[in-house]
Amino acid sequence: GQNIDQPTEMTATEGAIVQINCTYQTSGFNGLFWYQQHAGEAPTFLSYNVLDGLEEKGRFSSFLSRSKGYSYLLLKELQMKDSASYLCALRGGYSTLTFGKGTMLLVSP
Amino acid sequence: DGGITQSPKYLFRKEGQNVTLSCEQNLNHDAMYWYRQDPGQGLRLIYYSQIVNDFQKGDIAEGYSVSREKKESFPLTVTSAQKNPTAFYLCASSRRDIGGDEQYFGPGTRLTVT
Repeated sequence: GQNIDQPTEMTATEGAIVQINCTYQTSGFNGLFWYQQHAGEAPTFLSYNVLDGLEEKGRFSSFLSRSKGYSYLLLKELQMKDSASYLCALRGGYSTLTFGKGTMLLVSP
Repeated sequence: DGGITQSPKYLFRKEGQNVTLSCEQNLNHDAMYWYRQDPGQGLRLIYYSQIVNDFQKGDIAEGYSVSREKKESFPLTVTSAQKNPTAFYLCASSRRDIGGDEQYFGPGTRLTVT
């Protein structure tokens, strides 16, 4: 089986940088995804890591360390619209995804 | 515009009734998925399908059924055997088993059973 842990909630200030961590225990996986989900809406894709290291996409970066069972999502220059839930997911066989419970991020002025 | 549609957005049913949730995609994706999301929980996989006329159980398939008669459509039936059917249901699709191709999600159907 797979076990994925994320902090339940985080708060940050507009303009700041925030790091959302994801730790996991699994017998194997094919990659790690990060999704953003606003309340009552569909998740939207943010980033994907298959190899160790950092992937950067604009204000968002994601890091993966397979040996440590650890990933993080880094959000820079926070905006109010970044208030959302951030979901870490492991890709298994047949492109199926196993999701963590998500981290609710609240950005304040 | 390519995308995934789910209808209706809100659905109310009485306990003991079966209900079918619609999911249609025009992205030409082979793979489709159904997830359930409960408050404070992550998404949990109900069923998935890699090709037409074939589908596999996910982690929480009990009380649900699906069909995949067309590439574009993957309806989910919530049967009366599902003990806690009230939830937010999300349908997704992706290209079949290709590297980092992400899953695209529909807007979801919020089902309330009383």
